[in-house]
Formats: sequence, C-alpha cells, structure tokens
Amino acid sequence: EDKVVQSPLSLVVHEGDTVTLNCSYEVTNFRSLLWYKQEKKAPTFLFMLTSSGIEKKSGRLSSILDKKELFSILNITATQTGDSAVYLCAVEPPSYDKVIFGPGTSLSVIP
Amino acid sequence: DAMVIQNPRYQVTQFGKPVTLSCSQTLNHNVMYWYQQKSSQAPKLLFHYYDKDFNNEADTPDNFQSRRPNTSFCFLDIRSPGLGDAAMYLCATSLRGWGTDEKLFFGSGTQLSVL
Repeated sequence: EDKVVQSPLSLVVHEGDTVTLNCSYEVTNFRSLLWYKQEKKAPTFLFMLTSSGIEKKSGRLSSILDKKELFSILNITATQTGDSAVYLCAVEPPSYDKVIFGPGTSLSVIP
Repeated sequence: DAMVIQNPRYQVTQFGKPVTLSCSQTLNHNVMYWYQQKSSQAPKLLFHYYDKDFNNEADTPDNFQSRRPNTSFCFLDIRSPGLGDAAMYLCATSLRGWGTDEKLFFGSGTQLSVL
C-alpha cells in the first residue's frame, strides 16, 4: 500500500534555530512530491519536487528530493514564530487518482 | 483573486441531522476534491470529481455523498452525521491535463462539530 511517512511528528525549537523535516515514501513510480504548510486553516503550497538532487528554495525554506532513497527534506533556516505550523508532505502517484499525504510534522517556534 | 472558497468556516450539527458543506472556485479547475482531516492526522481523500466524473474512494462511508452541479461548485452531503464525523473538511481543486502539474489549491476548510 502506498504510504508517506514524516518525522519527527512534532518539534519545538527556538527562534533562529534551523530545522530539518523529513519525508519518506513508499509509492510506486510517483510523479511528484509536494510540501504544504498548514496553519489553523487550509494547507498552502510550498514546493513541488520532481527531480532528484535539485534544491528548491524560497526565502528561508528549501527542499530537496532523493528519488533513489525515496525521501525528501524540508529545511527552514533562522526560524521565526510565524513558521509555526504543520508541514505536510504529499506524493502524487502517476495514476492521477489522488495525492497521498503524510501525517505532517507539527513545528512550534518559541521566542 | 482566483481562489477556493468554503462555507461555512464552522458548522455545528446534531447527531443524525443531515448537513451540507459548500465549496466554490474561481480557478476554472476541472478537478475538485473533498478531504477529511481529523486532529493531528493527514488529510484523507473522500472523493473527487474530474469534470462530471465522480470518483469515490473505496473506504469512504456511504454516509458521505457529493454533488457537483457545475464547474464552480461542489457540495459535500453528510446524510446522518455521527460523532466520529467531526473533523475539518477541506475542499481542493487542481487542473488536470497535458502539461499541468496538478498542484492542489485548498479552500480554508469547514470545521464540523457534531453534538
């Protein structure tokens, strides 16, 4: 069965820390891996990754995919309290049927 | 701005009383999805419409139904809500077709409480 696993499930850091969130997947022949940020509302899109080894960056956030080892990481540098959220990893299989979400990592950034 | 809109943001219903959640979109996307998300869990796909074609997930209870009267609107009907149906319900859209990336755009969600 297709599965997406995220670790850690929750994390508390201080402002200014750097965090790394992990996502591994067991999905046959996926098309893309996506990261979403979810505050107390709907998820908002962060990154879509389709190729191994190519880092995507947006400000203090960056992400990279390893298709051989079937995982992705999301890095956040110089964390701020506004980064507190649940970060969801999702994988799109090639069948267009559905996106498979992981359970999310709940990040709390304390001043 | 083009967007996905869900109404209401919060919905309270009674055990067994039918309830309908609404979703509309101005993105002109051809796919609309309904996800159920319980506390600290991943969003779980209930069903989706690809244009007018309805696709139900195998483990979606019969208690949940959906309607898509036109491209812009999609409804989630819960015929007899139970306590276990209390959750956040997320509507999402995507554009499926040649050369598209099918990125999901989410609405703000409806938090359903069942008393």
